[in-house]
Amino acid sequence: GESVGLHLPTLSVQEGDNSIINCAYSNSASDYFIWYKQESGKGPQFIIDIRSNMDKRQGQRVTVLLNKTVKHLSLQIAATQPGDSAVYFCAETYSSASKIIFGSGTRLSIRP
Amino acid sequence: NAGVTQTPKFRVLKTGQSMTLLCAQDMNHEYMYWYRQDPGMGLRLIHYSVGEGTTAKGEVPDGYNVSRLKKQNFLLGLESAAPSQTSVYFCASSPSQSSYNEQFFGPGTRLTVL
Repeated sequence: GESVGLHLPTLSVQEGDNSIINCAYSNSASDYFIWYKQESGKGPQFIIDIRSNMDKRQGQRVTVLLNKTVKHLSLQIAATQPGDSAVYFCAETYSSASKIIFGSGTRLSIRP
Repeated sequence: NAGVTQTPKFRVLKTGQSMTLLCAQDMNHEYMYWYRQDPGMGLRLIHYSVGEGTTAKGEVPDGYNVSRLKKQNFLLGLESAAPSQTSVYFCASSPSQSSYNEQFFGPGTRLTVL
């Protein structure tokens, strides 16, 4: 089975609030954890990744947190906008592989 | 740059028919991937290639074949289509071994097998 999974299939957030999307993983050997965004009718788009020896990484309006103790990954989106509506996938990879394994996704919807 | 393009965008097949999906990228990427995405689910890797002339199996390779004769193209073939292969197929590419976390995806091909 998949080693990367998500806590909630859907998340509804008020526009302007912060969004937090969670992900659990089971493979302690993963080297990187990655977040992708998929808008309706489009292919996934890379957002940000974090190496397994890091706890936090920030990008533009996004922050990824990694808690290796409980094998938990989260994506925080600041000041959520309508354009953030999408399905968000967490994924993992190992440096010895040339591929990534995707989780099942969380749909983020924005309330006006 | 066009990025990653996929042909065709839509296709309907009857059970037992064959077809080839074409993926092309103009970014000079070494790595290319084929995924399938079923409704409400994540992406599952079918086959991938780490360079021209090389291919490898992913998570769900049965019923599919691939070829990478040219660096910029990655073909996915269905020899005898089955209803279970109804899905959206995505192609992706990434520059190299050191940067395959960031994959660039095409717009997808929606395939229905009747």
